[in-house]
Amino acid sequence: QKEVEQNSGPLSVPEGAIASLNCTYSDRGSQSFFWYRQYSGKSPELIMSIYSNGDQEDGRFTAQLNKASQYVSLLIRDSQPSDSATYLCAVKDGGTSYGKLTFGQGTILTVHP
Amino acid sequence: DTAVSQTPKYLVTQMGNDKSIKCEQNLGHDTMYWYKQDSKKFLKIMFSYNNKELIINETVPNRFSPKSPDKAHLNLHINSLELGDSAVYFCASSLTQYEQYFGPGTRLTVT
Repeated sequence: QKEVEQNSGPLSVPEGAIASLNCTYSDRGSQSFFWYRQYSGKSPELIMSIYSNGDQEDGRFTAQLNKASQYVSLLIRDSQPSDSATYLCAVKDGGTSYGKLTFGQGTILTVHP
Repeated sequence: DTAVSQTPKYLVTQMGNDKSIKCEQNLGHDTMYWYKQDSKKFLKIMFSYNNKELIINETVPNRFSPKSPDKAHLNLHINSLELGDSAVYFCASSLTQYEQYFGPGTRLTVT
């Protein structure tokens, strides 16, 4: 059973701080990794994709991947109250070219003013 | 100009009924998916179609039957609804192995 694990939180950070969300995965053959943000009552929204070891930056968001440790993280700099949401880590099955994603249980992030 | 749309948004029905949820995407993607998100917010894939061909079929009761009339549409029919089917069902689409984009979801409540 391929698994994706996240700390469910809640993670609470003050406005302006860096929020760090972590994810580990069990399938060593996985090649593609995604972070989705889900506001309460809304659908998951893709915010970051990362495919190779290292960092991938987009605005205030940085995704980090370490395949040797089977670890992927998301850093949110200058956190805003509008970043308060559930963050889902998703890992693409390494055994197929099709897009089967396995999701973690999500980390609830609260940014307080 | 909605990218992935689903109907209906809410569905309330009684046990034993049959219902359908429809999904359409206008992104030109070739792969579509159905996911179920339970009350604990855990998101799990159910089915996937690539160019109208079923490519992912997870361990789902055979009361659930997906149908893809063309690349832009994927429907989900559920027979003999049970209380445990209550959840939010999300449709998603992608260009084969790339990023998936989700529809707004259908909240199904079985009473």
